[in-house]
Formats: sequence, structure tokens, C-alpha cells
Amino acid sequence: SQQGEEDPQALSIQEGENATMNCSYKTSINNLQWYRQNSGRGLVHLILIRSNEREKHSGRLRVTLDTSKKSSSLLITASRAADTASYFCATDAEGNNRLAFGKGNQVVVIP
Amino acid sequence: EAGVVQSPRYKIIEKKQPVAFWCNPISGHNTLYWYRQNLGQGPELLIRYENEEAVDDSQLPKDRFSAERLKGVDSTLKIQPAELGDSAVYLCASSLFGTGFTGELFFGEGSRLTVL
Repeated sequence: SQQGEEDPQALSIQEGENATMNCSYKTSINNLQWYRQNSGRGLVHLILIRSNEREKHSGRLRVTLDTSKKSSSLLITASRAADTASYFCATDAEGNNRLAFGKGNQVVVIP
Repeated sequence: EAGVVQSPRYKIIEKKQPVAFWCNPISGHNTLYWYRQNLGQGPELLIRYENEEAVDDSQLPKDRFSAERLKGVDSTLKIQPAELGDSAVYLCASSLFGTGFTGELFFGEGSRLTVL
């Protein structure tokens, strides 16, 4: 399966701390995306990183991509209670045109 | 601008009954997706449309699931008859991009189906 696998699957941190999540995948990709999902809601796109990019920033988010290791990480700096959500990585495999989602990381930020 | 609109938000039915979900994508988005999300899992693609053409329906269980996007705008996903294992959240998403580049997907709030 091309689906990304996130690690850790559950993370609990104090407000103000950084949260790091990892995603591994199996085949070559065009791009990798991260989404957030609040409980009972739809998914919201956070960031897209292309296969020829190594790092990308958006506000308090930092994403890295290592295509040689087929892995990506999402860092949320200075976490807030509002960051409590599930975070999913999704891969667009070469020749597939199908965005495949992992099982997600559940992040709880304690005020 | 309105986002992706889905209805109903919640549906409870008994097994063997039919059910239908409706989705209206963001205006101008030619690509529309239906995903199914089981509890504690990530979304799984059921079908992808580019305009009115279903370009990827390989994961749609065609014995009981059907979908249509007749005018290339809004779409309906139907299950008939529903089974207990169909209980899930059905998510609709749309995108500006089509074949060749899978960019950012915009999701609706989802339709939560419970089959009793």
C-alpha cells in the first residue's frame, strides 16, 4: 500500500511545547501533503511539499521531506490548545493521481 | 466564498435500506472526490471525478455503491442496500487540479452514516 504511516499515533504535550510527527511511505511520490482534522469535522489542508523540496515552512509549521528514506516530518512549534486535532499525511504517488492518506496522529495539547 | 457543502451531516438507517449523500464542490473546482473514513482511520478514496467523468472508481464497491456527477458540478453518492460495515463518515472533497497534479484538496464537513 502507498498509504503513509504516521508515528507516533498519539501524542500528548503541554501548551507551548513543540510537537513532532513522522510519516513514512513506500513508493516514489510527486508530493506529500499534511492535513488537520478536528473532531467531527472535515480535513483542512496544512502544507504541500513537492518531491524536489526538502523543507517548507508555514507559520508555526515546518515540514521536512527525505525521499531517500521515504519519510516526512511535521513540526508544530509553540503548540496551542487549538492545535488539538488529528494530523494526516497524504502521498501523491508517481503515476497514480490518487492522494492516499495515512491513519493519522492524534495530538492533544494540554492548556 | 462557500466551501464544499455536504448533506446530510448525519444519517441513521437500518441495514438493507438505501441512503444517498449529496456534495456541492467549490465553484470552479473541476475535480471532485468521495472518500470514506472509518473510525480512527484515514480517508480512503472511493471515486474521483474530473468534470462529469469518473476517472478513478477502482475502489468503489460497485455491487452496492453508485455515484453520479451529471453536470460536472454537484454529486451524489448512493448505497443500496446498506450493510452494517458501511457505517463511516463519507467525505467529499474538491480540487482545482486534475490528472497530472494532485494539489490541495478542500473537504466538506462529511456525512456520518450509522447503519443499525
